[in-house]
Amino acid sequence: DAGVIQSPRHEVTEMGQEVTLRCKPISGHDYLFWYRQTMMRGLELLIYFNNNVPIDDSGMPEDRFSAKMPNASFSTLKIQPSEPRDSAVYFCASSSRGNGYTFGSGTRLTVV
Amino acid sequence: KQEVTQIPAALSVPEGENLVLNCSFTDSAIYNLQWFRQDPGKGLTSLLLIQSSQREQTSGRLNASLDKSSGRSTLYIAASQPGDSATYLCAVTANAGGTSYGKLTFGQGTILTVHP
Repeated sequence: DAGVIQSPRHEVTEMGQEVTLRCKPISGHDYLFWYRQTMMRGLELLIYFNNNVPIDDSGMPEDRFSAKMPNASFSTLKIQPSEPRDSAVYFCASSSRGNGYTFGSGTRLTVV
Repeated sequence: KQEVTQIPAALSVPEGENLVLNCSFTDSAIYNLQWFRQDPGKGLTSLLLIQSSQREQTSGRLNASLDKSSGRSTLYIAASQPGDSATYLCAVTANAGGTSYGKLTFGQGTILTVHP
């Protein structure tokens, strides 16, 4: 298996623009997570899905953030409009119940 | 609310030393605990997974223990090498129970430097 695949690896965008981050989980994993990592706050859980259904989105910072999982092999995290304080590394991870988590390589987002 | 604390925040040791990284969590009702390694600018690599019913797991020079009742885990690294230099993160998964399974709570990490 190729692991959890995230794209793009790096994204630089201007404030106010829409940003879409993508994730392909490991086949057979029924949980998918979006995390954000910053120096100040460490790793924060934004939202997670079980069987494509959002279970907990309490970590989503604002209405500017939205996430979807239209099928078992694809998820997106969208920020609209983006702001400089959204600059961070965004990780996607997947898991199946009782097993550990596998993380993707992350998307480094810079909003200027 | 689950809180995970890692001590020390940073550790610098000479090559060859055996070392222990500590992790504590406030809610003992966990499903499992996982140790990760993160190299600068990279993603997280899973090192060891301990289920709540287990006491320890071993992989090569790494050994992780879990004392769920006291809310503690340790990661033991034997004969450290410069290549072990990285940030080590401890994370716990909330206990199974309907939809509560899944939330992974991370500690702030221990930055390890092993110098030749």
